Amino acid sequence: DTGVSQDPRHKITKRGQNVTFRCDPISEHNRLYWYRQTLGQGPEFLTYFQNEAQLEKSRLLSDRFSAERPKGSFSTLEIQRTEQGDSAMYLCASSSSGDGFNQPQHFGDGTRLSIL
Amino acid sequence: LAKTTQPISMDSYEGQEVNITCSHNNIATNDYITWYQQFPSQGPRFIIQGYKTKVTNEVASLFIPADRKSSTLSLPRVSLSDTAVYYCLVGRYNTNAGKSTFGDGTTLTVKP
Repeated sequence: DTGVSQDPRHKITKRGQNVTFRCDPISEHNRLYWYRQTLGQGPEFLTYFQNEAQLEKSRLLSDRFSAERPKGSFSTLEIQRTEQGDSAMYLCASSSSGDGFNQPQHFGDGTRLSIL
Repeated sequence: LAKTTQPISMDSYEGQEVNITCSHNNIATNDYITWYQQFPSQGPRFIIQGYKTKVTNEVASLFIPADRKSSTLSLPRVSLSDTAVYYCLVGRYNTNAGKSTFGDGTTLTVKP
């Protein structure tokens, strides 16, 4: 089990720039989730995919945010025209679908975004 | 939306048993209860999950009363390395991901 991998681990950028993060889920997992976490708070749900289909998006996901999972494997999260308030840890998680059972999510260690 | 309430922080000493209780008064029939552990600069790690009664694994036990309006995570004989934030999560997130929300967690500090 290689776990969920996120790249980069840290990203520092200037306000107004675009950034893209990558998540590689556990290979046999068909569900993939993105969360945002700020200091001292729990993770906030952003969006999730089943295979390549984006099934749910939070209202937190403004039009500057876009997520893709083109082949149902890795996923990318892009933030356009970054703002100070985007500074946070962006977490990715994956799970299997498991009919009739609530499969727990496995998290990566996140990408920490700092906006200068 | 199942809202959870946990103590903000708890202190304990090495070797003691720690019980962290989570309140979830509006839990739905199909909701599961899941606990995660998070260390600084890491993602949350799954600890244990249950639906009703008691669940035990190699690291923790989860006690859920019959009305399921609360749950208690029990960590036996904690060590310094158990110092972390613990989150209680209620929901059926595989089919309703946005409806399962993390609260602000309980920061457990284990002292020598």
